[in-house]
Amino acid sequence: QVQLQQSGAELVKPGTSVKLSCKASGYTFTSNHMNWIKQTTGQGLEWIGIINPGSGGTSYNVKFKGKATLTVDKSSSTAFMQLSSLTPEDSAVYYCAIGAGWGQGTLVTVSS
Amino acid sequence: DIQMTQSPASLSASLGETISIECRASEDIYSNLAWYQQKSGKSPQLLIYAANRLQDGVPSRFSGSGSGTQYSLKISGMQPEDEGDYFCLQGSKFPLTFGSGTKLEIK
Repeated sequence: QVQLQQSGAELVKPGTSVKLSCKASGYTFTSNHMNWIKQTTGQGLEWIGIINPGSGGTSYNVKFKGKATLTVDKSSSTAFMQLSSLTPEDSAVYYCAIGAGWGQGTLVTVSS
Repeated sequence: DIQMTQSPASLSASLGETISIECRASEDIYSNLAWYQQKSGKSPQLLIYAANRLQDGVPSRFSGSGSGTQYSLKISGMQPEDEGDYFCLQGSKFPLTFGSGTKLEIK
């Protein structure tokens, strides 16, 4: 069955970057577009963007352009999301997801 | 962006009770709507897709309906394991957008 295994929690300093990973298994990696979603208590769920693992093509929520960069490594069936110029407002749980399957989430805490 | 207005924000139901949660889209989303359940500390689980299609393995007490801008999720006979947060997701246009969520509790 579909499994999306995300990297572990991150504690990072403001102004830095972090790269999250999402390793896929149980399906053909290149056959499903991968979404990334941000969840906070205050703002709820926000869609960050989507990547086509086959072509590398991406589409971003305007709100996250310049903040998030989505990439994939087809050889390891892994999707990545880099978040840059981090501020406390970027503290959240981040999910990768393909429709029916979501990863377990990665908690990112931005604090000095 | 398509706005998804979800109601109610919270709901308390007795065991066996039938409940409904609504999502209204700011424009026609042509049944491109999914419903998810999320339990505390866990990732969301897909219940319904394409407005009324039951995801494999999801109990038949869950059902979805609607079209155009109005959609609903019904639980026919509340069970203890149904406690959690529920939200809708529109997949008609980028950016994908979510409802604000409904917290469902046992009365």
